[in-house]
Amino acid sequence: GAGVSQSPRYKVAKRGQDVALRCDPISGHVSLFWYQQALGQGPEFLTYFQNEAQLDKSGLPSDRFFAERPEGSVSTLKIQRTQQEDSAVYLCASSLGLQGFASVDEQYFGPGTRLTVT
Amino acid sequence: GESVGLHLPTLSVQEGDNSIINCAYSNSASDYFIWYKQESGKGPQFIIDIRSNMDKRQGQRVTVLLNKTVKHLSLQIAATQPGDSAVYFCAENFYGQNFVFGPGTRLSVLP
Repeated sequence: GAGVSQSPRYKVAKRGQDVALRCDPISGHVSLFWYQQALGQGPEFLTYFQNEAQLDKSGLPSDRFFAERPEGSVSTLKIQRTQQEDSAVYLCASSLGLQGFASVDEQYFGPGTRLTVT
Repeated sequence: GESVGLHLPTLSVQEGDNSIINCAYSNSASDYFIWYKQESGKGPQFIIDIRSNMDKRQGQRVTVLLNKTVKHLSLQIAATQPGDSAVYFCAENFYGQNFVFGPGTRLSVLP
């Protein structure tokens, strides 16, 4: 595809439900990032993959958050037992990943998934 | 579309005027900076970047200025257009660690 796509675009979950958010990166991009963006704030880093390897998950706020990228392309961010504080826009970004460091390549962002926990 | 933020600092400028958006970054050791533009319902879009060994960089209608002494970054947009209306974020990076984004500024272009 032409850019990073995410699905669903909007998700409403009752507190306690599990959710799964999908990211399709740009074809051929090695690096993939997940960010959480609360209303009125800048994106905050959650986790980073290089191919299928999750190299950094230091930003995941709790063990209820889990991300995977089993074949090095599509990634899923799963949130278990959702809480109201999980309500946010979840952004995915990908980059070529040619430079060896996680973040120095230009990152291309998807439109995000807005999660609302009621 | 979705609103990125309802209570962000807002800068209102007249169409055709120049805009200056400011950002204070947090880490004096950060060596790479990016300005992003985020329109409602969309993800951030790269505008311009600058490395810490420079103090100014120009793109098409945009200029980024870096003042390391006071940890300050600014984005100047020349001849602001209605399409420039968006939320603007600066992001800093230290030696390949993950980007840290600032809180954002909403730019509103008045006709």
